[in-house]
Formats: sequence, C-alpha cells, structure tokens
Amino acid sequence: EAGVAQSPRYKIIEKRQSVAFWCNPISGHATLYWYQQILGQGPKLLIQFQNNGVVDDSQLPKDRFSAERLKGVDSTLKIQPAKLEDSAVYLCASSLQGGRGETQYFGPGTRLLVL
Amino acid sequence: GENVEQHPSTLSVQEGDSAVIKCTYSDSASNYFPWYKQELGKGPQLIIDIRSNVGEKKDQRIAVTLNKTAKHFSLHITETQPEDSAVYFCAAMRVDYKLSFGAGTTVTVRA
Repeated sequence: EAGVAQSPRYKIIEKRQSVAFWCNPISGHATLYWYQQILGQGPKLLIQFQNNGVVDDSQLPKDRFSAERLKGVDSTLKIQPAKLEDSAVYLCASSLQGGRGETQYFGPGTRLLVL
Repeated sequence: GENVEQHPSTLSVQEGDSAVIKCTYSDSASNYFPWYKQELGKGPQLIIDIRSNVGEKKDQRIAVTLNKTAKHFSLHITETQPEDSAVYFCAAMRVDYKLSFGAGTTVTVRA
C-alpha cells in the first residue's frame, strides 16, 4: 500500500513570496490533515478535511494560508505572502474516516525555509 | 483544549539499555494515545498505540503503559539499538478526535 505522498520535499523562498504544497493521501482515506511542525516542537493541526469539505480550520491563519481538496482526494496548502515565522515542516496526514482512535498516517513533509 | 507534556526532551542511553519516555495529558476524556517515531528528514511513523480500556500493550521491544487516574502514559524501549535513535512524540486524542502532540524526545543510542 502506497503511503502519503507530498511534494516538494524542500522549498526556500523569500518573505512575502508565495508557496504551495501538494499532498496525495492513502487511497481510500476520507480524512486529510495538514500540520505545521516548527523545529523542536510537535506537529500542530492547521486544517482537517473530510472528503472535500473542511471539518476544522480554526488554527489556520486565514489571512495568509489557504487550503483546498476540491475532488476529495489530493490537497494543496498555500501560503501568500510568507513570513519568516512560517519556516517549518508542513506535514500531511490521512486516516480512514477521522473517527475515534483511528491511526493517522503521515507523509514525509515539506521543509520550508523563509528568508 | 488538550495539553500534552512530554519528558525528557533529550535522552541518551547505552546500546542494550532501556529507554523510558513519559507523557501527561490534561483532558480526562481523551481515550486514544499513539506514539510516533520521527527519523531525520522523514515524517512521523506510528510505532505503538494504546486505548483507554487497556493498561499496557507490548510489541516486541516496545511497550506502552497508561494510567488513566493519574493521566499519564509512558513508552518503554528495551534492549535499545542504534536504529532506535530518533525523535519520539506522544499524542492524545481529544473528544473532537483531534490529536494533541507532545514536544518530542530526542533519543540517542550510544554504541
């Protein structure tokens, strides 16, 4: 079974530029998560999708971050304009239905450096 | 919301010794507790999990214990090997099915 795929793996941009990350979850997984992992910290949830609908985006800085999962499969997370404090690893994860006790499977992440 | 504290932040052990990482959580309604291992340049990988109706679970050299009354759970790695060197994260699942993660423990196994 193929895991969660993410691209690109690394990205370096200057502040105020825009950037986009792509994620393809495990086939058949209805729930998709985007996490932000700052160096030395655990992952923090940014947004959760159930199929093509947003379940929770309460922690997403909506003035600069946006995400979509138009067909309920792959997803894109965008930052525009980027700030220095956005430097982090952006992790995508998926689970079968997002229910209680379900395992979340993580992708390799996209490492973003904002200069 | 759920608050998960993890200790220690770094742990160095001699190969063959045991390693123990402890986590506490604040929400007594949390009932699912996974542990993830993150190697350099990779995403977190689930290594073991435990549900609140179980006090202990073991998988080869890895075991997890849960004390619901005290709201803490621990990861035990026995007979550590160099490939056990990584960052380990505990997490607790809240009533809204979201995971709250600890800050991580960097484990170094000395040969």
